[in-house]
Amino acid sequence: GQNIDQPTEMTATEGAIVQINCTYQTSGFNGLFWYQQHAGEAPTFLSYNVLDGLEEKGRFSSFLSRSKGYSYLLLKELQMKDSASYLCAVNLYNQGGKLIFGQGTELSVKP
Amino acid sequence: SQTIHQWPATLVQPVGSPLSLECTVEGTSNPNLYWYRQAAGRGLQLLFYSVGIGQISSEVPQNLSASRPQDRQFILSSKKLLLSDSGFYLCAWSVVVALQETQYFGPGTRLLVL
Repeated sequence: GQNIDQPTEMTATEGAIVQINCTYQTSGFNGLFWYQQHAGEAPTFLSYNVLDGLEEKGRFSSFLSRSKGYSYLLLKELQMKDSASYLCAVNLYNQGGKLIFGQGTELSVKP
Repeated sequence: SQTIHQWPATLVQPVGSPLSLECTVEGTSNPNLYWYRQAAGRGLQLLFYSVGIGQISSEVPQNLSASRPQDRQFILSSKKLLLSDSGFYLCAWSVVVALQETQYFGPGTRLLVL
């Protein structure tokens, strides 16, 4: 079966750094997505990792280790607007690009 | 640029009534299209995906169906809604950019079955 785990909730302080972890056990792994979803809205694309290593995009970075079935999303210089749910999703190889999602991590940024 | 539309944005329907949700994509051709459902406080569950006109793959058994009558149109339907069909329905499309596939979501339809 397919299994994706991420923490349910996290809390951090404005201006700090937070790391949201995601572990996966899937068949036919092709890549891993991170999405941000504010309450009541659709998910928005943050990053897609296919190869091992760290990819940086401004305040957000995403890391992947295929051998360990592990990824994390790193958010720097946290802002109040970063309070949202962060979704980890695995792209399955050769299956029409369909994604298997984790349950999401609800991040609360406090002043 | 590519955009994805969904309507209606919100829908309240009685149990046993039919359903039709529409999704259209602009600015691309032959996209892969997906329907997801997100129940309150839960993650996204893939319902259907389509790699071309008339080609539908169903992921979970249920009383919903999907159709793709045109290249950039994806429709989610039901003949008789159940209470458990309530949720946030998201249409998505995927595109390959720089040899990497990226998947984008539409604004979603919030369905409440009473």
